[in-house]
Amino acid sequence: QVQLVESGGGVVQPGRSLRLSCAASGFTFSRFGMHWVRQAPGKGLEWVAIISFDGGYKYYADSVKGRFTISRDNSKNTLYLQIHSLSAEDTAVYYCAKADSSSSFDYWGQGTLVTVSS
Amino acid sequence: QSALTQPRSVSGSPGQSVTISCTGTSSDVGAYNYVSWYQQHPGKAPKLMICDVTKRPSGVPDRFFGSKSDNTASLTISGLQADDEADYYCCSYAGSFTWVFGGGTRLSVL
Repeated sequence: QVQLVESGGGVVQPGRSLRLSCAASGFTFSRFGMHWVRQAPGKGLEWVAIISFDGGYKYYADSVKGRFTISRDNSKNTLYLQIHSLSAEDTAVYYCAKADSSSSFDYWGQGTLVTVSS
Repeated sequence: QSALTQPRSVSGSPGQSVTISCTGTSSDVGAYNYVSWYQQHPGKAPKLMICDVTKRPSGVPDRFFGSKSDNTASLTISGLQADDEADYYCCSYAGSFTWVFGGGTRLSVL
């Protein structure tokens, strides 16, 4: 069965950087695009970024463009999100999600919480 | 990339039907048949319930029905059950490889 397991979250000081990981299993990782979606405490879902199956294209929400970098290592079945210049507004649960063939998110991880605080 | 508009809350009694609306613009909901709906129980990950406006993934009961008219998509849940109580989010492809979610709707089963 499809499994997505995020890691790398924690408490981080403002201005620092962080790299999140998402380990995938149960499907052929290298054949599918992958997304990051975040959810601030008590708030709704916000789409963050997408990367194509081969890493050839990457797109970002305007709110994170220039500070976030999505990447993947198909040899390790792992998706990454590098976040720079963290601010309190980045405090959220970060989910990785598998892109299905029809432009939706068909499987989600359990999320990893990033808390930006001094 | 403004969020899609959903009612903050809806409610219904067991066995009844409820409809959750999701209003976007001619650049997202109105432009593409790529609206999806997600169910999220407290503390859990979202679960895909509807894709491509009307399609139900395997395992999703046929009590969940998706539709769209112009810039507004809707999710109708019939035969409400206690376990349907959750937050529901719509999402639309918005072009140029970007997506936009709705603000979410809390469904209460009274």
